[in-house]
Amino acid sequence: DAKTTQPPSMDCAEGRAANLPCNHSTISGNEYVYWYRQIHSQGPQYIIHGLKNNETNEMASLIITEDRKSSTLILPHATLRDTAVYYCIAEGGGSNYKLTFGKGTLLTVNP
Amino acid sequence: GAVVSQHPSRVICKSGTSVKIECRSLDFQATTMFWYRQFPKKSLMLMATSNEGSKATYEQGVEKDKFLINHASLTLSTLTVTSAHPEDSSFYICSATHPAGGVYEQYFGPGTRLTVT
Repeated sequence: DAKTTQPPSMDCAEGRAANLPCNHSTISGNEYVYWYRQIHSQGPQYIIHGLKNNETNEMASLIITEDRKSSTLILPHATLRDTAVYYCIAEGGGSNYKLTFGKGTLLTVNP
Repeated sequence: GAVVSQHPSRVICKSGTSVKIECRSLDFQATTMFWYRQFPKKSLMLMATSNEGSKATYEQGVEKDKFLINHASLTLSTLTVTSAHPEDSSFYICSATHPAGGVYEQYFGPGTRLTVT
C-alpha cells in the first residue's frame, strides 16, 4: 500500500474554503486516492476518490497533481459540521481492497 | 449513498461473556465486508476481511478464535467477541464495499461501542 502523509491538524473559518493536502509520493499507477472523514464517535464517511483527473461531487473537490504524488481535498464552504478527522488513503479499487488508515488531519472549523 | 447499519450501538458486558455485533448493508448487496477496531484517540485498525460464504481473512495479530466472523448472506456480517476482557473494550466499526463506476467504495457503519467490565 502507498503511504500517505497529512498535516496533523488544520483550522478553517466557517464559510471559507478548507484545503486539505496529502502527499502520496509512492503511489502506484493502479492506485486511487480516496478521502474519508470521521466525525467524533461515528463511523468514517466516504467523501470522494480519484485516479488522475480532478473530481468534484456534492461534498467536495479533489485536485490531483499531474505526477500523482500529492492531492488536495477542497471543501468549498466549510461549516461547523465539517469538523472531523480527514483521511487520505491510496489504494486499489477492487472489491477486496483494504483501507489503511493513517492519523489523518483534524480539521477544526471555527465560527 | 449506500447505508450500512450496526447493532447494537453500545453494549456493556461482563468479563468472560461473549458479545455479538451485527453489520448490515441496507440497500445493497455486499460481497465483501470489513471489521475495524478503534481505540480512543487512535486511528482505525483493520481486523479482518469478510467475504460472503467463505472464511474471514484476519490481519496479523488478530486472534480468529477470539473474534469470530460470520458472513452468511450478502447483507449481513456478524462479529462475535468471545470471552471478552476489559482490554477488548473498543469502538468496533464495520464497512461494506459498493461498486460505483468500476471502482469500489467502502461505506461504514456507525460503530459499536463495547465496554467490558
